Amino acid sequence: AQKITQTQPGMFVQEKEAVTLDCTYDTSDQSYGLFWYKQPSSGEMIFLIYQGSYDEQNATEGRYSLNFQKARKSANLVISASQLGDSAMYFCAMRDHAGGTSYGKLTFGQGTILTVHP
Amino acid sequence: NAGVTQTPKFQVLKTGQSMTLQCAQDMNHEYMSWYRQDPGMGLRLIHYSVGAGITDQGEVPNGYNVSRSTTEDFPLRLLSAAPSQTSVYFCASRERGGLSNEQFFGPGTRLTVL
Repeated sequence: AQKITQTQPGMFVQEKEAVTLDCTYDTSDQSYGLFWYKQPSSGEMIFLIYQGSYDEQNATEGRYSLNFQKARKSANLVISASQLGDSAMYFCAMRDHAGGTSYGKLTFGQGTILTVHP
Repeated sequence: NAGVTQTPKFQVLKTGQSMTLQCAQDMNHEYMSWYRQDPGMGLRLIHYSVGAGITDQGEVPNGYNVSRSTTEDFPLRLLSAAPSQTSVYFCASRERGGLSNEQFFGPGTRLTVL
């Protein structure tokens, strides 16, 4: 079965420093996608970045990059130059076609709360 | 575009009451889904739909019903509310196909069952 594990319940970082949020996954599919979402205290889910299992390069979106290590089944999010507004809950999620469904279920990890200190 | 909209934003129910959480999207997305978010557990899929008239169960479907009569709307019905259904509910939609297609989320409904 698909599983996403985020082992860091909470992380702290100093403003302007970089931080890495860990994510490991498990799937029997060869074709899958990995997502990171941000959830600020206001509650909405904000899409940050996507990495496909066949993508050879690590995905980047502005200050966000995804450190994708396929053999280790990890997809860590790196936030460079942290800002106070980065304080939020961060979720790692995976979509695959396990079970043969066309829908492609999105499975979420438990989340990591990031706090950025001034 | 309004994106994905959900009503109500907050709701308090008594055990045994029924209610419908509304979800609508104006992006002509074929795929829609409902998730619940509980502390320490991330989001879990309740039900999903791949098009009008087609629905299926997700990971935690018990106690919930859905229907999809139009592309735009995907209501979630609680048949007989229980305290275990206290949660934040998110509706989401995305375009058909492609593993990479972004999932758009509504603002959520915070439900408390007493």
